[in-house]
Amino acid sequence: DAGVIQSPRHEVTEMGQEVTLRCKPISGHNSLFWYRQTMMRGLELLIYFNNNVPIDDSGMPEDRFSAKMPNASFSTLKIQPSEPRDSAVYFCASAPTGGNSPLHFGNGTRLTVT
Amino acid sequence: QQQVKQSPQSLIVQKGGISIINCAYENTAFDYFPWYQQFPGKGPALLIAIRPDVSEKKEGRFTISFNKSAKQFSLHIMDSQPGDSATYFCAASSGSRLTFGEGTQLTVNP
Repeated sequence: DAGVIQSPRHEVTEMGQEVTLRCKPISGHNSLFWYRQTMMRGLELLIYFNNNVPIDDSGMPEDRFSAKMPNASFSTLKIQPSEPRDSAVYFCASAPTGGNSPLHFGNGTRLTVT
Repeated sequence: QQQVKQSPQSLIVQKGGISIINCAYENTAFDYFPWYQQFPGKGPALLIAIRPDVSEKKEGRFTISFNKSAKQFSLHIMDSQPGDSATYFCAASSGSRLTFGEGTQLTVNP
């Protein structure tokens, strides 16, 4: 079991640029979550998918953020255009079923927008 | 609205001591209360979890105490070790949406 794989591990970009974060969930897990972690706001749920379908995107901060899950083994989180306040660690997590299953987190992508 | 409040923000304990982290929640619909442990540069990992039908759950040196009427739960780490130094998050959920507390940075001195 390779765990949840996120790429890149670090991303530094300039304000206004497009940023794409990638996630490969654990095989067989049918729920996928995107979280953002900052010192000020802690761990915030941005969006989650169940069986590749977005279920709750109420945590997506603005229209600049979008997420897709084209298949069971891949998801992306895109920020366009990026802003300095988007700087954070973005985590992807997967779970084997819906409610109350343990989340398995990746090691995150540290995004810095200058 | 912060639905899960965690304290303290940071905690320093001597090796062999007991570490206690507290959480309080507001939403009575929450029915699953996990604790996650996070090391620097890593994602959070599930440590132990409890459901509201029990008042205590123990796994090795880690114990969750749960008080449904007070809407509070706590993590106790017995015989704390330097390797336990990490950030701990309580969380609560009803269904798939997990809400995390603010986190507690635990340092265990040798």
